[in-house]
Amino acid sequence: GQSLEQPSEVTAVEGAIVQINCTYQTSGFYGLSWYQQHDGGAPTFLSYNALDGLEETGRFSSFLSRSDSYGYLLLQELQMKDSASYFCAVTTDSWGKLQFGAGTQVVVTP
Amino acid sequence: DGGITQSPKYLFRKEGQNVTLSCEQNLNHDAMYWYRQDPGQGLRLIYYSQIVNDFQKGDIAEGYSVSREKKESFPLTVTSAQKNPTAFYLCASSLRRDRAKNIQYFGAGTRLSVL
Repeated sequence: GQSLEQPSEVTAVEGAIVQINCTYQTSGFYGLSWYQQHDGGAPTFLSYNALDGLEETGRFSSFLSRSDSYGYLLLQELQMKDSASYFCAVTTDSWGKLQFGAGTQVVVTP
Repeated sequence: DGGITQSPKYLFRKEGQNVTLSCEQNLNHDAMYWYRQDPGQGLRLIYYSQIVNDFQKGDIAEGYSVSREKKESFPLTVTSAQKNPTAFYLCASSLRRDRAKNIQYFGAGTRLSVL
């Protein structure tokens, strides 16, 4: 079967740093993506890693280790608007089919 | 403005009834997808289509049907065979140019409930 494991909830204060881990076990692996979803809204793409290492996009960074089947999303300088659910997703075939994790709810407090 | 439009925003289904959720995109994307999201859970793939007049079953296709007669449109029918249809339904589209990266763009969703 396919599985992606990520923590269900993380709470942090404004200005802090949060790391959301994702471990995966899938039949195929072409890359790891991260999506953000505010309550009741549409998921939006944040980042993508196909190769090992760190990708930085503003306050958000994403890391991948293919040998460990592991990645993480790092949120820096947390803001109240970062309160949302964050999903990791593995591209499992050459057509781009995505397998999503259950999501991590990030709660930012003042 | 380019984007994906889903309608209606809220939908109620009576027992034994088929209902159809609309998804239209003007992004000129080749691929389109339907996902189901239950509370506190991730997105599960129902159906996807890489090209007009072709589509494939996802992980939870039973009780659902789709068509792809136009590039812009990918409607989803929730049939009476789907016994637990209450969920948030999301439609997405993507370019096929970089399949592995496959950035998907989502509509605002349709919330389906059973009367």
